[in-house]
Amino acid sequence: DQQVKQNSPSLSVQEGRISILNCDYTNSMFDYFLWYKKYPAEGPTFLISISSIKDKNEDGRFTVFLNKSAKHLSLHIVPSQPGDSAVYFCAASANNDMRFGAGTRLTVKP
Amino acid sequence: GAGVSQTPSNKVTEKGKYVELRCDPISGHTALYWYRQSLGQGPEFLIYFQGTGAADDSGLPNDRFFAVRPEGSVSTLKIQRTERGDSAVYLCASSLRGWTDTQYFGPGTRLTVL
Repeated sequence: DQQVKQNSPSLSVQEGRISILNCDYTNSMFDYFLWYKKYPAEGPTFLISISSIKDKNEDGRFTVFLNKSAKHLSLHIVPSQPGDSAVYFCAASANNDMRFGAGTRLTVKP
Repeated sequence: GAGVSQTPSNKVTEKGKYVELRCDPISGHTALYWYRQSLGQGPEFLIYFQGTGAADDSGLPNDRFFAVRPEGSVSTLKIQRTERGDSAVYLCASSLRGWTDTQYFGPGTRLTVL
């Protein structure tokens, strides 16, 4: 059962524009959400997180939005840079369990 | 400081063989996790250690898979009688205390079963 879904396998944006990566989840028990970034031949690297008691968390160019009623979260990157090109995984956590989405490959074109 | 390291980076084996994958967590991290990532999928939880004990092994797919962490630091994931379906990248992560702390991942071991 896929409790965390990233429906877009890939996304391409122009440098300087906004990148928006989306994630949907089905389990209402999830109370902590994370985004990880992965370069080829490396492990996932933690990027940003949000607790279920918040609806927005911002860190520099990265902002995560959480819509609990829709069971949806998104990651905004603005402005996008070529170095942001990577695979982004959404993850959701509850009760000593963490589930990952399948990832979205972001390509930022110069 | 040093991050999570995993050895080997690549392992090719034949169906039916036994393999061991090693993980060196960040020094001082008491929590250690193993995940498996198949092609086109996100990491899938296998097992979680708190110190030397397996606090949660509910993600291990069957009894061919086993993991140990005898001294509360290095962990070894052991797979017996490997099958072609075991081919994946095996990721290890560690965190300071537990699930509420950020997990830091190693680069993974790519296992190919021929």
